[in-house]
Amino acid sequence: SSELTQDPAVSVALGQTVRITCQGDSLRSYYASWYQQKPGQAPVLVIYGKNNRPSGIPDRFSGSSSGNTASLTITGAQAEDEADYYCNSRDSSGNWVFGGGTKLTVL
Amino acid sequence: QVQLQESGPGLVKPSETLSLTCAVSGYSISSGYYWGWIRQPPGKGLEWIGSIYHSGSTYYNPSLKSRVTISVDTSKNQFSLKLSSVTAADTAVYYCARLDSSSWETSLDYWGQGTLVTVSS
Repeated sequence: SSELTQDPAVSVALGQTVRITCQGDSLRSYYASWYQQKPGQAPVLVIYGKNNRPSGIPDRFSGSSSGNTASLTITGAQAEDEADYYCNSRDSSGNWVFGGGTKLTVL
Repeated sequence: QVQLQESGPGLVKPSETLSLTCAVSGYSISSGYYWGWIRQPPGKGLEWIGSIYHSGSTYYNPSLKSRVTISVDTSKNQFSLKLSSVTAADTAVYYCARLDSSSWETSLDYWGQGTLVTVSS
């Protein structure tokens, strides 16, 4: 299967830790990358590879992977982290695929 | 700094062909990487449309493959999308992006700002 499955919505209290997950068969052989998208803006890469952050991404963002599940963890969530988050990977045919997205609410 | 900028008509009639171009600055397309298109219907998630390697090899979303053509023009440092036989379901914000990929990881590290294309008569 080339699908990536994400929970549609997750909430976290300000300053607490939240984990956003992404499941799919392709994740057994390919690391996921993660994107943050705020309303009206283009997506921004926040995590790629085993656990790499592009320049400028706060270190409260981290990534991990186990079996067919990839996770994005925000440790000490801030109000500005409220956004939609998407995972992405490549399937066995080499095609790219996105998860359906998770809307993160910071309470 | 790598920058990507989409351009093209914002309104396309049903059954016609949607054509967009992505101009790249700050990096030469012929030097490497994949270059691709992603779209997002209003209020919905991201959908990968297709990618092209700097050498010209392509990957297309199987659900769109019969209607999509992506090409690259290294002389102008730009790449293009053509989507034929459009319907209202193709109304979306269309993004272009640079895609990095190895045998075990991939990432879309630079994105254009996106352009809204509406399919309507």
